[in-house]
Amino acid sequence: GQQVMQIPQYQHVQEGEDFTTYCNSSTTLSNIQWYKQRPGGHPVFLIQLVKSGEVKKQKRLTFQFGEAKKNSSLHITATQTTDVGTYFCAGRETYKYIFGTGTRLKVLA
Amino acid sequence: NAGVTQTPKFRILKIGQSMTLQCTQDMNHNYMYWYRQDPGMGLKLIYYSVGAGITDKGEVPNGYNVSRSTTEDFPLRLELAAPSQTSVYFCASSYGDRGYQPQHFGDGTRLSIL
Repeated sequence: GQQVMQIPQYQHVQEGEDFTTYCNSSTTLSNIQWYKQRPGGHPVFLIQLVKSGEVKKQKRLTFQFGEAKKNSSLHITATQTTDVGTYFCAGRETYKYIFGTGTRLKVLA
Repeated sequence: NAGVTQTPKFRILKIGQSMTLQCTQDMNHNYMYWYRQDPGMGLKLIYYSVGAGITDKGEVPNGYNVSRSTTEDFPLRLELAAPSQTSVYFCASSYGDRGYQPQHFGDGTRLSIL
């Protein structure tokens, strides 16, 4: 079955440093979604990528979808303490989404 | 707007007991999902539904059952609870559009099996 892996599993950065998490699928995806989960909270939708090679930006966050639609990345510029949490990608297979393993980000002030 | 509501928020079960986790949404979404999240791990899909009367298995369906008699409700049934089912359970819903819509999550049910 489809598998979605994320690296790194954990990342500790100093406030102001950049952060990137990578998402890789074993199969070609129809689309990919990114979610953020704060400690003790529930996942919250960030963005969706649909087209091959698509790039979307949300303030300090940049999302990319690979040309082969099998990988994606999330880059945060100049991290802030509010960026703390776990970032998940979710790749769609028919009607269901397979979530990645997540990258837990800790930002040190 | 309540969004996705899950009850109970916390529950402790004994091995072999059964229970139903409730999930209801007021957004008229036709897609609904159940996930489990083990400590420090990602989300695993248990079951999903694309509309009333239609359900299908996800990645980890063993030990669980679901039903979808209405658009609003999607209860998850645990039969013969086992320690391996200790987890946080999230219900989510989304508008149809062939899956190209964001999922809205409830606050979760934290379940311990002792």
